[in-house]
Amino acid sequence: NAGVTQTPKFRVLKTGQSMTLLCAQDMNHEYMYWYRQDPGMGLRLIHYSVGEGTTAKGEVPDGYNVSRLKKQNFLLGLESAAPSQTSVYFCASSYREDTQYFGPGTRLTVL
Amino acid sequence: AQSVTQLDSQVPVFEEAPVELRCNYSSSVSVYLFWYVQYPNQGLQLLLKYLSGSTLVKGINGFEAEFNKSQTSFHLRKPSVHISDTAEYFCAVSDGNDYKLSFGAGTTVTVRA
Repeated sequence: NAGVTQTPKFRVLKTGQSMTLLCAQDMNHEYMYWYRQDPGMGLRLIHYSVGEGTTAKGEVPDGYNVSRLKKQNFLLGLESAAPSQTSVYFCASSYREDTQYFGPGTRLTVL
Repeated sequence: AQSVTQLDSQVPVFEEAPVELRCNYSSSVSVYLFWYVQYPNQGLQLLLKYLSGSTLVKGINGFEAEFNKSQTSFHLRKPSVHISDTAEYFCAVSDGNDYKLSFGAGTTVTVRA
């Protein structure tokens, strides 16, 4: 099993550009999450999903959109990137309230 | 949502010495508690968790933590650290009815020979 995978691993964008981050899990988990990690702030929840076709806002959703068209995939979109979105993005999945399993992260720089 | 405080941002420690990382959370309602470790340039992996039962929880790599409901704490300990324990450690909490995790800001442990 690959667990949780994220694509791409690194990306550099210019202000105003758009991009989509892909998260895939092969553990048949219902719940999936997108976090951002910034120095000294831990991980903050951006959006999450409790099942295929459902999404909800987390703590810091502004500037991001998500989609969960298939159970195993959770996409995070930035429509118009801003320098404040420079961060490391982590995807995670879980079976309900139990352990969340994390992907390796995507390091995004917005110039 | 829970508020999670990790009381030490950086903990330097010598190899084979003990280490304790402190974590406090805001609410005394039923909670699930987790410690995750992040090695440089990697994702997070679970060290240990408390869902119910015994308040002393043992995890991987010789780590253990104790859940103290009255003090709303979940401190992490290891009796003898190795160089390979150099990493960032995150405490995370979720309410019993809410699967969303709230993370602390992290504690960076640096183990020196």
